[in-house]
Amino acid sequence: AQSVTQLGSHVSVSEGALVLLRCNYSSSVPPYLFWYVQYPNQGLQLLLKYTSAATLVKGINGFEAEFKKSETSFHLTKPSAHMSDAAEYFCAVRRGGGADGLTFGKGTHLIIQP
Amino acid sequence: KAGVTQTPRYLIKTRGQQVTLSCSPISGHRSVSWYQQTPGQGLQFLFEYFSETQRNKGNFPGRFSGRQFSNSRSEMNVSTLELGDSALYLCASSPWTGSSYGYTFGSGTRLTVV
Repeated sequence: AQSVTQLGSHVSVSEGALVLLRCNYSSSVPPYLFWYVQYPNQGLQLLLKYTSAATLVKGINGFEAEFKKSETSFHLTKPSAHMSDAAEYFCAVRRGGGADGLTFGKGTHLIIQP
Repeated sequence: KAGVTQTPRYLIKTRGQQVTLSCSPISGHRSVSWYQQTPGQGLQFLFEYFSETQRNKGNFPGRFSGRQFSNSRSEMNVSTLELGDSALYLCASSPWTGSSYGYTFGSGTRLTVV
């Protein structure tokens, strides 16, 4: 079975500062990894995904993530935070073969300080 | 291109009743998945349908069921509702079934059981 751990249920950064949201996974087989964002009263929006091609993945809204197999990590970063980035962020894993659907982390609430 | 449409957006039911939620995927998408989101358990996979067949199922009791129609629209049903079934139910679609596809989520149906 696979699992996802997101370090920090809340992360606060100043506007213009670096955003770093941490995600570690466990999977018995090479995984597919995803980051989603959820704004209040809305569904999930796909930011980016890793599917065993390039280890550095660029997504929408200036976000990117790097797959590090040795560290079993897939941290999400953005060089400069914007007020509109305030939301809940979820890391998810799905193992190759896709038998179990997406397994999500508990989420990280990103707060942007003006 | 229309997104994933879920109806209704909000629903209030009484314990012991049953409920049916509807999901219309993005045109051309053939895979539909359902997820339950609660504050305590987070996002949990319910099931996935592809070509009218249930492909995968999460760890939920038999009271939770679903189906998919020939036009890829999907419904999920919860019988004998319990207070703990109160949640945001999210539907997600993808072009095909398989690990590497990123899902497009709908805005969800907020179910409250009283």
